[in-house]
Amino acid sequence: DVKVTQSSRYLVKRTGEKVFLECVQDMDHENMFWYRQDPGLGLRLIYFSYDVKMKEKGDIPEGYSVSREKKERFSLILESASTNQTSMYLCATLDSSNTEAFFGQGTRLTVV
Amino acid sequence: DQQVKQNSPSLSVQEGRISILNCDYTNSMFDYFLWYKKYPAEGPTFLISISSIKDKNEDGRFTVFLNKSAKHLSLHIVPSQPGDSAVYFCASSRGSTLGRLYFGRGTQLTVWP
Repeated sequence: DVKVTQSSRYLVKRTGEKVFLECVQDMDHENMFWYRQDPGLGLRLIYFSYDVKMKEKGDIPEGYSVSREKKERFSLILESASTNQTSMYLCATLDSSNTEAFFGQGTRLTVV
Repeated sequence: DQQVKQNSPSLSVQEGRISILNCDYTNSMFDYFLWYKKYPAEGPTFLISISSIKDKNEDGRFTVFLNKSAKHLSLHIVPSQPGDSAVYFCASSRGSTLGRLYFGRGTQLTVWP
């Protein structure tokens, strides 16, 4: 079974803090993604990566950056957390046929 | 601009009856379609998929129908069970975009006894 692990289930951070969300996968997939989920807005793509040290902006990259130093790890960074970044963050990885995405359990981030 | 649309934010169905969740897409280049199910505080899990060369795919109680001319797909759940209560996301992809999936906004299905 594919395993996608996000480092935290719940996080509470203060406005202005730098926040790191970590995601690790164990299936050697090239493609990894960060989404955020908000009520009524569905899943919105923040950033994705199709190889080590490669990254592409998604639909809502503002206020975020990412790091992919190793194939199995994809980190999402909030440079200076703001209250409008309170959300559920979901990491995903794609299988070799580039069809089915596997998701982590999600990180519920609250910025106060 | 939303390329995948789920126009019903919620659906309520009695246990044992059919649930029909709908999804529309605007990009004619999409060639693969998926449905994901999500419970609160968990990540989405894959449910069923269909490629554009087919018009129907079935897996147990779940069937997905694709109407390419209408750019419409639907997920049928028969019979519906209370454990099916979740948010359902429709997603689409096209081969040229490195596997990126485009998601709809989701439909909250509630199955009541």
